[in-house]
Amino acid sequence: DAGVIQSPRHEVTEMGQEVTLRCKPISGHNSLFWYRQTMMRGLELLIYFNNNVPIDDSGMPEDRFSAKMPNASFSTLKIQPSEPRDSAVYFCASSPSDPSNQPQHFGDGTRLSIL
Amino acid sequence: GNSVTQMEGPVTLSEEAFLTINCTYTATGYPSLFWYVQYPGEGLQLLLKATKADDKGSNKGFEATYRKETTSFHLEKGSVQVSDSAVYFCALSRNNQGGKLIFGQGTELSVKP
Repeated sequence: DAGVIQSPRHEVTEMGQEVTLRCKPISGHNSLFWYRQTMMRGLELLIYFNNNVPIDDSGMPEDRFSAKMPNASFSTLKIQPSEPRDSAVYFCASSPSDPSNQPQHFGDGTRLSIL
Repeated sequence: GNSVTQMEGPVTLSEEAFLTINCTYTATGYPSLFWYVQYPGEGLQLLLKATKADDKGSNKGFEATYRKETTSFHLEKGSVQVSDSAVYFCALSRNNQGGKLIFGQGTELSVKP
């Protein structure tokens, strides 16, 4: 079975550029989560969707970050404009939301470097 | 609010040593509890879970028991291997929150031959 698929795996770009990260959740999963992981702050939940609707975006650091889920099989996380402090590994995860004791399945992440 | 606290790492052990990574939680009601493992360069993978008090989750020689009286979910393994070197995350989820997980800060384990 295909797991959560993220692209690209690595992204290096200059500050000020727009960055778009992509995620394809596992088919049939109706919850999708975006995380950011850094050495300093550990693993942070940025936003999560349930049935394509954003439920909690309180972890989104600022207006430069936006996320969309236009359909059940695709989500994007966009940073515009990007800054060096956005450098991190970004993970997408999906799960069945009901019941809530189902585990999340993580993608392999996108390693983002902003120069 | 809901929170998860893990023992700080890094934890360094010799091969075949006994492992304990402490995890305690704060939550109202009856959360489900999880341990995830992250190998270098990879995403998190579910290691084991427990959904109610006194449940024991187990996988790959790892075990953890849901202790409601002490609000704990400590991870144990009787004999670690070099291949167990990774970062371990304790997490909880509560009902009616769409599967949202609250993670601990992670504990890095390094096993030496």
